[in-house]
Amino acid sequence: EAGVTQFPSHSVIEKGQTVTLRCDPISGHDNLYWYRRVMGKEIKFLLHFVKESKQDESGMPNNRFLAERTGGTYSTLKVQPAELEDSGVYFCASSPARQFSGNTIYFGEGSWLTVV
Amino acid sequence: AQSVTQLGSHVSVSEGALVLLRCNYSSSVPPYLFWYVQYPNQGLQLLLKYTTGATLVKGINGFEAEFKKSETSFHLTKPSAHMSDAAEYFCAASPMIYNQGGKLIFGQGTELSVKP
Repeated sequence: EAGVTQFPSHSVIEKGQTVTLRCDPISGHDNLYWYRRVMGKEIKFLLHFVKESKQDESGMPNNRFLAERTGGTYSTLKVQPAELEDSGVYFCASSPARQFSGNTIYFGEGSWLTVV
Repeated sequence: AQSVTQLGSHVSVSEGALVLLRCNYSSSVPPYLFWYVQYPNQGLQLLLKYTTGATLVKGINGFEAEFKKSETSFHLTKPSAHMSDAAEYFCAASPMIYNQGGKLIFGQGTELSVKP
């Protein structure tokens, strides 16, 4: 069974450009999450989808970030325009349908974003 | 607000020695607790988790952790370190609130190095 896959694995863009990160969750997982780790900081929650609906987007830093999950399958996270402080690793994760705090959350390998 | 603290950003042990990685949480209600590991160039992998029941939890690769409510701790241990244990380890907590399932709060991470 395939795990959570993320694309691209690495991206280097200039300040002001746009980047779109993609995440394919484990098949059948209704819950999809985005997390971010900027350099030297802890991993932080960005948002949570249940199927195609945003359940919690309290961690989104500002309106330059837009997440979508059309059809409740894969998700994209767009940063437009990118700023230097957006550099870091963006993790996608998924978990099964039952929304239980103790569910195991499965993480992807992350997308490394560098803004220069 | 809930928080997770990992004592020591870097821990170095000799091969065969005891591994002890410390994690404390701050919460008025004990959360669900997790340890994740990130090996170089890989994603986050669940080592073990505590939800309910036995407070001593055994995970993969010989690791275990004990939930101590009185000390608000969830330290990770392994009796004998192996070179392959070198990685970054993350402690995380999830509030026991149904509609916040999956919103993990991470500690800062501890980089474990193992000397031959």
